[in-house]
Amino acid sequence: NAGVTQTPKFQVLKTGQSMTLQCAQDMNHEYMSWYRQDPGMGLRLIHYSVGAGITDQGEVPNGYNVSRSTTEDFPLRLLSAAPSQTSVYFCASRAAGGEVNEQFFGPGTRLTVL
Amino acid sequence: GDSVTQMEGPVTLSEEAFLTINCTYTATGYPSLFWYVQYPGEGLQLLLKATKADDKGSNKGFEATYRKETTSFHLEKGSVQVSDSAVYFCALSDLSNYQLIWGAGTKLIIKP
Repeated sequence: NAGVTQTPKFQVLKTGQSMTLQCAQDMNHEYMSWYRQDPGMGLRLIHYSVGAGITDQGEVPNGYNVSRSTTEDFPLRLLSAAPSQTSVYFCASRAAGGEVNEQFFGPGTRLTVL
Repeated sequence: GDSVTQMEGPVTLSEEAFLTINCTYTATGYPSLFWYVQYPGEGLQLLLKATKADDKGSNKGFEATYRKETTSFHLEKGSVQVSDSAVYFCALSDLSNYQLIWGAGTKLIIKP
């Protein structure tokens, strides 16, 4: 079991560029989420999905798109990167019947937007 | 809305010292409370949890007690080790959407 994997680990973008952060899990979890982690702040929920084909917005969704075409994958897209999106991004997954705390986190992607 | 407040870091201690990291919360209802740990270069891991008032969560020598009267969930360890150096996050469960609400994290540095 690889658990939750994220790629890339580090990325530098210029303002206006687009990119996709990849997230995959091999635990057959229904729920997947994307968070951003900024200095002095807790993790904030960007988007989440309760199953393939179903996504919903979290606390800070603006500037990000997601899709969930398979149970395993939950990519996060930045269509036009802005310096305010400089952050560390975490993907997490959990089983539908599991408790909210039983989330498994990926190692994170550190994104810098110049 | 619900929120979690943690003491600011970094917290620097010598090995074998006593650790307390404060966490207080505001919430409607009776959420579950959690401590997560993030070791350098890794994702977050659940350290311990408590689901109702007066519950004590414990793991790896760490403890935290759910105090409804003071709305607190302070993390403690009697004798820290260098390997405990990490960032610690306090969180509560949002009963409206079953998501977690996070504190800002406290970086702990243990010196040999």
